[in-house]
Amino acid sequence: QQQVKQSPQSLIVQKGGISIINCAYENTAFDYFPWYQQFPGKGPALLIAIRPDVSEKKEGRFTISFNKSAKQFSLHIMDSQPGDSATYFCAASKSRDDKIIFGKGTRLHILP
Amino acid sequence: EAGVTQSPTHLIKTRGQQVTLRCSPISGHTSVYWYQQALGLGLQFLLWYDEGEERNRGNFPPRFSGRQFPNYSSELNVNALELEDSALYLCASSGVSNQPQHFGDGTRLSIL
Repeated sequence: QQQVKQSPQSLIVQKGGISIINCAYENTAFDYFPWYQQFPGKGPALLIAIRPDVSEKKEGRFTISFNKSAKQFSLHIMDSQPGDSATYFCAASKSRDDKIIFGKGTRLHILP
Repeated sequence: EAGVTQSPTHLIKTRGQQVTLRCSPISGHTSVYWYQQALGLGLQFLLWYDEGEERNRGNFPPRFSGRQFPNYSSELNVNALELEDSALYLCASSGVSNQPQHFGDGTRLSIL
């Protein structure tokens, strides 16, 4: 049972464009939704996170939009740069320190 | 501040052997988590240790086990290795009071 569904599997965006990654979850007990960024040969790094009582959170060029009724959330990367090329994972957990359920990941490539 | 450190970085074993992976959490963190990142399967939760106790376990067979030491470092043991155990094993740690998880760069385990 895939509790967190992520799309697309891969994404190519021109430099300066907007990258959008979408996720959907099933378990309404989830209360914490982090996004992780992973470069080849490295572990995932926490990028930004949101709680379901907030509809949007912005940190620099990265924005999470959250729709609690639809059980969907998305990551927008504004002014995408080649250095943003990485694999992005959406995730969910019942609290910050509980086990994390990850989406399958999106491999993002920003064209220079 | 030193991050989560894992050893070894790479390991090659044959079927049927046993392996021990090690993790040192960020200083001050008391919880340690283990995840498996296998090709095509994404990141899957394995084990969670907090204050020396196993708090939660993912859907893995009993030959996957671990422990947490008084200094909060942790070991993951895998017995009777199978080909499908080939994966990147990631350790994460978090502090007290509902803090987010921070990952190490993992141990790449290859089973021949």
